Amino acid sequence: DGGITQSPKYLFRKEGQNVTLSCEQNLNHDAMYWYRQDPGQGLRLIYYSQIVNDFQKGDIAEGYSVSREKKESFPLTVTSAQKNPTAFYLCASSTGTGNQPQHFGDGTRLSIL
Amino acid sequence: GESVGLHLPTLSVQEGDNSIINCAYSNSASDYFIWYKQESGKGPQFIIDIRSNMDKRQGQRVTVLLNKTVKHLSLQIAATQPGDSAVYFCAESGGYNKLIFGAGTRLAVHP
Repeated sequence: DGGITQSPKYLFRKEGQNVTLSCEQNLNHDAMYWYRQDPGQGLRLIYYSQIVNDFQKGDIAEGYSVSREKKESFPLTVTSAQKNPTAFYLCASSTGTGNQPQHFGDGTRLSIL
Repeated sequence: GESVGLHLPTLSVQEGDNSIINCAYSNSASDYFIWYKQESGKGPQFIIDIRSNMDKRQGQRVTVLLNKTVKHLSLQIAATQPGDSAVYFCAESGGYNKLIFGAGTRLAVHP
């Protein structure tokens, strides 16, 4: 089945540690996105990529980094500079041509040890 | 489950009733809108979308209404079922295929 796979489902970070969240899609979508979700709030855009080897900062990019070396993969690194990383992280993809729905994975829950 | 939506507004309905979830959007230039459903511990699931050249669109048991004059979007769910219980988000286009999400509304369906 086509879809978006995020791993791991739960992740724990120690102080001063960088952690990387995986996002893979087999929908042949050009565009991919990372969102952060906190309780009682909507999704906030961290980074997005409209094409391989290109990505743009979203609204809350500080403390995060991404890469887009392959069309199907868009990993997110939560760096030690992100002082409040505890959240639910969601990856999405879309065809990237005009206004189209984004399709989401089932998220990674990141917590601080 | 996830702690998404701890302090969200909640709409409580009886099973079999119709539900109406409302959303105010911010940008009068937005030309594309989407409704998503999110169950606990899962990612948002696409329900229905509408472009700004329309004011109504129907799907299976769902209808989206768009009022551009007052920047208002609504999602109507007919014959609400227990499986419809979830958090519902509206989103508007933010250019470059970016979406801007609302805070969400929790729908609680009671038997």
